[in-house]
Amino acid sequence: AQKITQTQPGMFVQEKEAVTLDCTYDTSDPSYGLFWYKQPSSGEMIFLIYQGSYDQQNATEGRYSLNFQKARKSANLVISASQLGDSAMYFCATNSGYSTLTFGKGTMLLVSP
Amino acid sequence: NAGVTQTPKFQVLKTGQSMTLQCAQDMNHEYMSWYRQDPGMGLRLIHYSVGAGITDQGEVPNGYNVSRSTTEDFPLRLLSAAPSQTSVYFCASSRSSTLPNTEAFFGQGTRLTVV
Repeated sequence: AQKITQTQPGMFVQEKEAVTLDCTYDTSDPSYGLFWYKQPSSGEMIFLIYQGSYDQQNATEGRYSLNFQKARKSANLVISASQLGDSAMYFCATNSGYSTLTFGKGTMLLVSP
Repeated sequence: NAGVTQTPKFQVLKTGQSMTLQCAQDMNHEYMSWYRQDPGMGLRLIHYSVGAGITDQGEVPNGYNVSRSTTEDFPLRLLSAAPSQTSVYFCASSRSSTLPNTEAFFGQGTRLTVV
Protein backbone atom coordinates (compact mmCIF):
# COMPACT_ATOMS: atom_id res chain seq x y z
CA ALA A 1 0.00 0.00 0.00
CA GLN A 2 1.10 3.55 -0.69
CA LYS A 3 0.99 6.47 1.70
CA ILE A 4 1.48 10.20 1.23
CA THR A 5 2.18 12.55 4.11
CA GLN A 6 1.79 16.31 3.83
CA THR A 7 2.71 17.78 7.18
CA GLN A 8 1.83 21.42 6.47
CA PRO A 9 -1.92 22.04 6.77
CA GLY A 10 -1.39 25.66 5.75
CA MET A 11 1.34 27.85 4.36
CA PHE A 12 1.62 31.60 3.89
CA VAL A 13 3.87 33.31 1.39
CA GLN A 14 4.20 36.81 0.05
CA GLU A 15 3.74 37.53 -3.60
CA LYS A 16 6.92 37.07 -5.68
CA GLU A 17 8.58 34.89 -3.05
CA ALA A 18 9.34 31.20 -3.45
CA VAL A 19 7.60 28.56 -1.34
CA THR A 20 8.19 24.86 -0.74
CA LEU A 21 5.35 22.47 0.00
CA ASP A 22 6.46 19.27 1.67
CA CYS A 23 5.53 15.76 0.67
CA THR A 24 6.87 12.42 1.84
CA TYR A 25 5.77 9.11 0.43
CA ASP A 26 5.89 5.47 1.30
CA THR A 27 5.62 2.71 -1.25
CA SER A 28 7.10 -0.73 -1.68
CA ASP A 29 6.83 -0.65 -5.47
CA PRO A 30 10.10 -0.09 -7.35
CA SER A 31 8.32 1.83 -10.10
CA TYR A 32 6.02 4.67 -9.19
CA GLY A 33 5.05 8.19 -10.07
CA LEU A 34 4.71 11.28 -7.94
CA PHE A 35 2.20 13.99 -8.81
CA TRP A 36 1.17 17.38 -7.59
CA TYR A 37 -2.33 18.73 -8.13
CA LYS A 38 -3.73 22.17 -7.42
CA GLN A 39 -7.29 22.70 -6.28
CA PRO A 40 -8.42 26.33 -6.34
CA SER A 41 -11.49 27.51 -4.50
CA SER A 42 -13.59 26.71 -7.58
CA GLY A 43 -12.97 23.04 -6.83
CA GLU A 44 -11.42 21.55 -9.95
CA MET A 45 -8.28 19.41 -9.78
CA ILE A 46 -5.46 20.79 -11.90
CA PHE A 47 -2.41 18.68 -12.70
CA LEU A 48 0.83 20.55 -12.07
CA ILE A 49 3.84 18.30 -12.31
CA TYR A 50 4.97 14.68 -12.46
CA GLN A 51 8.13 12.85 -11.36
CA GLY A 52 8.91 9.24 -12.20
CA SER A 53 10.79 7.09 -9.74
CA TYR A 54 13.49 6.36 -12.31
CA ASP A 55 13.86 9.92 -13.55
CA GLN A 56 17.37 11.17 -12.94
CA GLN A 57 16.53 14.85 -13.02
CA ASN A 58 14.03 16.81 -10.99
CA ALA A 59 10.92 17.69 -12.94
CA THR A 60 10.17 21.31 -13.79
CA GLU A 61 7.10 22.93 -15.34
CA GLY A 62 7.33 26.68 -15.61
CA ARG A 63 7.33 28.10 -12.08
CA TYR A 64 6.85 24.65 -10.56
CA SER A 65 9.66 22.28 -9.76
CA LEU A 66 9.69 19.03 -7.88
CA ASN A 67 12.55 18.47 -5.45
CA PHE A 68 12.80 14.68 -5.61
CA GLN A 69 14.98 13.02 -2.99
CA LYS A 70 14.52 9.30 -3.44
CA ALA A 71 16.58 8.19 -0.46
CA ARG A 72 14.50 10.39 1.82
CA LYS A 73 11.28 9.47 0.01
CA SER A 74 10.39 13.09 -0.40
CA ALA A 75 8.87 14.94 -3.34
CA ASN A 76 8.54 18.57 -2.36
CA LEU A 77 6.90 21.09 -4.66
CA VAL A 78 8.70 24.38 -5.13
CA ILE A 79 6.75 27.32 -6.50
CA SER A 80 8.97 30.19 -7.55
CA ALA A 81 7.80 33.80 -7.75
CA SER A 82 4.42 33.18 -6.11
CA GLN A 83 1.37 34.86 -7.56
CA LEU A 84 -1.98 35.68 -5.99
CA GLY A 85 -3.54 33.07 -8.25
CA ASP A 86 -1.41 30.39 -6.61
CA SER A 87 -3.62 30.55 -3.52
CA ALA A 88 -5.20 27.10 -3.46
CA MET A 89 -5.09 23.66 -1.90
CA TYR A 90 -2.19 21.54 -3.13
CA PHE A 91 -2.22 17.76 -3.12
CA CYS A 92 0.69 15.40 -3.47
CA ALA A 93 -0.14 11.96 -4.85
CA THR A 94 1.56 8.76 -5.90
CA ASN A 95 0.60 5.88 -8.14
CA SER A 96 1.88 2.45 -8.85
CA GLY A 97 0.56 -0.72 -10.35
CA TYR A 98 -2.82 -0.02 -11.86
CA SER A 99 -2.62 3.73 -11.56
CA THR A 100 -4.52 3.93 -8.32
CA LEU A 101 -3.68 7.37 -7.04
CA THR A 102 -3.08 7.79 -3.34
CA PHE A 103 -3.38 11.38 -2.14
CA GLY A 104 -2.10 13.26 0.84
CA LYS A 105 -4.42 15.41 2.91
CA GLY A 106 -3.28 18.57 1.20
CA THR A 107 -1.67 21.90 2.04
CA MET A 108 -3.57 25.16 1.80
CA LEU A 109 -1.37 27.88 0.35
CA LEU A 110 -2.26 31.53 0.80
CA VAL A 111 -0.37 34.15 -1.16
CA SER A 112 -0.54 37.67 0.20
CA PRO A 113 0.14 40.90 -1.72
CA ASN B 1 -12.38 19.18 -26.05
CA ALA B 2 -14.62 17.93 -23.23
CA GLY B 3 -12.19 15.68 -21.29
CA VAL B 4 -13.98 14.19 -18.29
CA THR B 5 -17.60 15.19 -17.80
CA GLN B 6 -19.46 14.62 -14.56
CA THR B 7 -23.14 15.12 -13.95
CA PRO B 8 -24.80 16.45 -11.92
CA LYS B 9 -22.66 19.18 -10.36
CA PHE B 10 -24.85 19.42 -7.27
CA GLN B 11 -27.33 16.99 -5.72
CA VAL B 12 -29.33 16.78 -2.52
CA LEU B 13 -30.66 13.36 -1.54
CA LYS B 14 -32.78 12.11 1.29
CA THR B 15 -31.48 9.26 3.41
CA GLY B 16 -32.31 5.97 1.74
CA GLN B 17 -32.66 7.31 -1.77
CA SER B 18 -30.57 5.93 -4.58
CA MET B 19 -28.92 7.78 -7.41
CA THR B 20 -26.30 7.49 -10.10
CA LEU B 21 -23.45 9.91 -10.63
CA GLN B 22 -22.51 9.98 -14.27
CA CYS B 23 -18.98 10.16 -15.62
CA ALA B 24 -17.93 10.18 -19.27
CA GLN B 25 -14.58 10.73 -20.93
CA ASP B 26 -13.81 11.27 -24.60
CA MET B 27 -10.07 10.61 -24.53
CA ASN B 28 -10.26 6.82 -25.04
CA HIS B 29 -8.61 6.30 -21.67
CA GLU B 30 -8.37 2.78 -20.30
CA TYR B 31 -8.35 3.70 -16.67
CA MET B 32 -11.19 5.41 -14.80
CA SER B 33 -11.76 5.94 -11.13
CA TRP B 34 -13.99 7.55 -8.55
CA TYR B 35 -12.77 9.47 -5.52
CA ARG B 36 -14.49 11.19 -2.69
CA GLN B 37 -13.12 14.29 -1.03
CA ASP B 38 -13.93 15.09 2.56
CA PRO B 39 -12.53 18.00 4.60
CA GLY B 40 -9.10 17.20 5.98
CA MET B 41 -9.02 13.78 4.30
CA GLY B 42 -7.68 14.45 0.83
CA LEU B 43 -9.14 12.32 -1.96
CA ARG B 44 -9.89 8.70 -1.29
CA LEU B 45 -10.40 6.04 -3.92
CA ILE B 46 -13.86 4.45 -4.05
CA HIS B 47 -13.76 2.20 -7.13
CA TYR B 48 -11.69 1.98 -10.25
CA SER B 49 -11.68 0.30 -13.63
CA VAL B 50 -8.77 -0.71 -15.83
CA GLY B 51 -10.94 -1.27 -18.88
CA ALA B 52 -14.45 -2.07 -20.07
CA GLY B 53 -15.91 -4.90 -18.06
CA ILE B 54 -13.28 -4.73 -15.31
CA THR B 55 -13.81 -2.97 -12.00
CA ASP B 56 -12.29 -3.21 -8.56
CA GLN B 57 -12.68 -1.71 -5.11
CA GLY B 58 -10.63 1.09 -3.70
CA GLU B 59 -10.15 2.28 -0.16
CA VAL B 60 -13.76 3.24 0.64
CA PRO B 61 -16.11 1.12 -1.53
CA ASN B 62 -18.94 0.43 0.93
CA GLY B 63 -22.30 1.80 -0.16
CA TYR B 64 -21.23 2.32 -3.78
CA ASN B 65 -21.54 0.28 -6.92
CA VAL B 66 -19.92 0.70 -10.33
CA SER B 67 -19.94 -0.89 -13.73
CA ARG B 68 -17.98 -0.26 -16.93
CA SER B 69 -19.87 -1.39 -19.99
CA THR B 70 -18.07 0.99 -22.37
CA THR B 71 -14.66 2.65 -22.45
CA GLU B 72 -16.27 6.08 -22.22
CA ASP B 73 -18.64 5.74 -19.26
CA PHE B 74 -18.11 4.86 -15.62
CA PRO B 75 -21.20 5.58 -13.49
CA LEU B 76 -21.16 5.48 -9.71
CA ARG B 77 -24.30 4.26 -7.98
CA LEU B 78 -25.33 5.03 -4.45
CA LEU B 79 -27.62 2.21 -3.46
CA SER B 80 -29.18 3.69 -0.31
CA ALA B 81 -27.80 7.12 0.50
CA ALA B 82 -26.58 7.85 4.02
CA PRO B 83 -25.50 11.17 5.60
CA SER B 84 -21.94 9.77 5.76
CA GLN B 85 -21.90 9.87 1.97
CA THR B 86 -22.16 13.64 1.95
CA SER B 87 -19.03 14.57 0.07
CA VAL B 88 -17.56 15.91 -3.13
CA TYR B 89 -17.12 13.18 -5.72
CA PHE B 90 -14.54 13.24 -8.47
CA CYS B 91 -14.27 11.04 -11.49
CA ALA B 92 -10.85 10.70 -13.13
CA SER B 93 -9.41 9.01 -16.17
CA SER B 94 -5.92 8.26 -17.42
CA ARG B 95 -4.56 6.82 -20.63
CA SER B 96 -2.90 3.72 -19.24
CA SER B 97 -3.24 1.51 -16.25
CA THR B 98 0.22 0.03 -16.35
CA LEU B 99 2.68 2.89 -16.69
CA PRO B 100 3.86 5.12 -13.85
CA ASN B 101 3.50 8.28 -15.94
CA THR B 102 -0.25 8.32 -16.10
CA GLU B 103 -1.51 11.78 -15.40
CA ALA B 104 -5.10 11.62 -14.23
CA PHE B 105 -7.63 14.01 -15.71
CA PHE B 106 -10.40 14.95 -13.34
CA GLY B 107 -13.99 15.91 -13.85
CA GLN B 108 -15.40 19.06 -12.26
CA GLY B 109 -16.76 17.19 -9.28
CA THR B 110 -20.22 16.50 -7.87
CA ARG B 111 -21.17 18.01 -4.54
CA LEU B 112 -23.57 15.60 -2.87
CA THR B 113 -25.51 16.30 0.29
CA VAL B 114 -27.52 13.58 1.99
CA VAL B 115 -30.08 14.83 4.50
